[in-house]
Amino acid sequence: AQSVTQPDARVTVSEGASLQLRCKYSYSGTPYLFWYVQYPRQGLQLLLKYYSGDPVVQGVNGFEAEFIKSNSSFHLRKASVHWSDSAVYFCAVSPSSNTNKVVFGTGTRLQVLP
Amino acid sequence: EAAVTQSPRSKVAVTGGKVTLSCHQTNNHDYMYWYRQDTGHGLRLIHYSYVADSTEKGDIPDGYKASRPSQENFSLILELASLSQTAVYFCASSWDWGDYEQYFGPGTRLTVL
Repeated sequence: AQSVTQPDARVTVSEGASLQLRCKYSYSGTPYLFWYVQYPRQGLQLLLKYYSGDPVVQGVNGFEAEFIKSNSSFHLRKASVHWSDSAVYFCAVSPSSNTNKVVFGTGTRLQVLP
Repeated sequence: EAAVTQSPRSKVAVTGGKVTLSCHQTNNHDYMYWYRQDTGHGLRLIHYSYVADSTEKGDIPDGYKASRPSQENFSLILELASLSQTAVYFCASSWDWGDYEQYFGPGTRLTVL
């Protein structure tokens, strides 16, 4: 069964700093990979997804992620964070087979200090 | 714009009571899902459905039932609420499985006393 690990429960950075949120997955094939963001008192919203092709995918609000198959990783990056990026970020994986189950990581709470 | 709404937004229930959480989507999506969110566990799938009048068990279905009376509506039912079911519940919808984005509702905070 697939699984997703987000090793950092909390990350704190200063506004304008660069950001990397880590995500590693366990799956024998090449899965579909997602990053979702959850702002306070809201549901999750898709930031970006990877399913094939260029391993670096661009998302909304300047976020990007890189799929590294050899490392089973899909880390999220942003060159310069803004205070409004403070939220909880979830990495998720869906097997590239006939199933509609998506497995979510435990989430990383990002706090951006002004 | 795609929209998933949930009601109620918060609820306090008593142990042993019946709780119904409702979800409505205007996305014309076939797939709908119920998740629960607990600190340290992320989101876990309770039930899902890909067609009206049919539901499927997810990863943690025990203690929950689901109902999909129409394409737009999907309910989660706790027949005998327990303390361990205190959590935030999210409904979501999607066009299909695989690489399709899921659209989430705002969540329902359920507290069982």
